[in-house]
Amino acid sequence: DAGVTQSPTHLIKTRGQQVTLRCSPKSGHDTVSWYQQALGQGPQFIFQYYEEEERQRGNFPDRFSGHQFPNYSSELNVNALLLGDSALYLCASSFGRATEAFFGQGTRLTVV
Amino acid sequence: EDQVTQSPEALRLQEGESSSLNCSYTVSGLRGLFWYRQDPGKGPEFLFTLYSAGEEKEKERLKATLTKKESFLHITAPKPEDSATYLCAVQPRHPGNTGKLIFGQGTTLQVKP
Repeated sequence: DAGVTQSPTHLIKTRGQQVTLRCSPKSGHDTVSWYQQALGQGPQFIFQYYEEEERQRGNFPDRFSGHQFPNYSSELNVNALLLGDSALYLCASSFGRATEAFFGQGTRLTVV
Repeated sequence: EDQVTQSPEALRLQEGESSSLNCSYTVSGLRGLFWYRQDPGKGPEFLFTLYSAGEEKEKERLKATLTKKESFLHITAPKPEDSATYLCAVQPRHPGNTGKLIFGQGTTLQVKP
């Protein structure tokens, strides 16, 4: 049973560019959440998608947007990249309103 | 404001030396408290969910407990492979919260042989 998979694993972008990160949830899961984890910190909630709609959003600017597809996979888009956007981006999946969330291995984004 | 604080930030143990990690939380209502293990450069690995005060969960050398204000992760006779960062997270019971987790900053554990 495949767990949560994310792509790419590493990415280097230039300030001002745009980036798209991808996530496939664990089999049987229909809810995808995205988190940003800066070095040495705990993950910070960006937003959650369910039934192809953003269901909840954390304290992140509109430069961060997302999408969920009919097969439950999801994308995170970040526009106008800043140096401070450099972080490990984590995708977590769960089923419905179940509390347990399972994480992927993350995408390490470096903005130069 | 909902908040999670973990202590200590870092912990060094000798193999076999038991200890506990602390997670203190402030939340208006608790839907669940979670423990994750995270290896460097990897995503968090789910360990336990605790729902109510007095609840305990065990897995190999790890045991998690929960009170109304804090949780402990007890590590009995740790081995070097237990070295990792341990993250605690809470899910608040707010009407508008559909799954957001609030994490602490983690405790980095190093177990020396």
